[in-house]
Amino acid sequence: QQQVKQSPQSLIVQKGGISIINCAYENTAFDYFPWYQQFPGKGPALLIAIRPDVSEKKEGRFTISFNKSAKQFSLHIMDSQPGDSATYFCAARMSRGSYIPTFGRGTSLIVHP
Amino acid sequence: DTAVSQTPKYLVTQMGNDKSIKCEQNLGHDTMYWYKQDSKKFLKIMFSYNNKELIINETVPNRFSPKSPDKAHLNLHINSLELGDSAVYFCASSQMLATNEKLFFGSGTQLSVL
Repeated sequence: QQQVKQSPQSLIVQKGGISIINCAYENTAFDYFPWYQQFPGKGPALLIAIRPDVSEKKEGRFTISFNKSAKQFSLHIMDSQPGDSATYFCAARMSRGSYIPTFGRGTSLIVHP
Repeated sequence: DTAVSQTPKYLVTQMGNDKSIKCEQNLGHDTMYWYKQDSKKFLKIMFSYNNKELIINETVPNRFSPKSPDKAHLNLHINSLELGDSAVYFCASSQMLATNEKLFFGSGTQLSVL
């Protein structure tokens, strides 16, 4: 059972464009939603995270939009750069019970120069 | 200083062999994990240890045995390797119950079983 569904599986964007990756979750007990960025040959690294008490969080060119009623959240990368080319994982975690984050299946982003 | 280091980076071996992957973290975290990443990049939790005690053991063949000699180390031993074990294995650590619990991942061990 996949508790966090991520789309698209792959994404190609031109330099300067907006990259959008979407995730949907099922378990309403999730209360922490991080995004991880993974470059080839490296481990994933935390990029940005949000809690459900806010609808948006922005850090530089990266923004998370959160829709609690729809149980959806998305990552927006503004002014996408070739250096943003990586695999992005959304995740969801509970503060109580199983605290292990559940990962989406990942989105491979390629930003063309 | 590398926060989470795992060795070796690459491991090529024959079917049926036994191998180990070592992991160490210098962040003072109390929880360590092993993840398996398949060829489609899917990250699957295998084990989680908190203060040297096993707390999560997902559906993993018993050929995989984690060992945590202390809070800073979590090694993964694999017996009787099979072709399907080929993947990238990531060690990670975190501080459980931290307000914004962040996983720190190692750089991965690419295991190829021939």
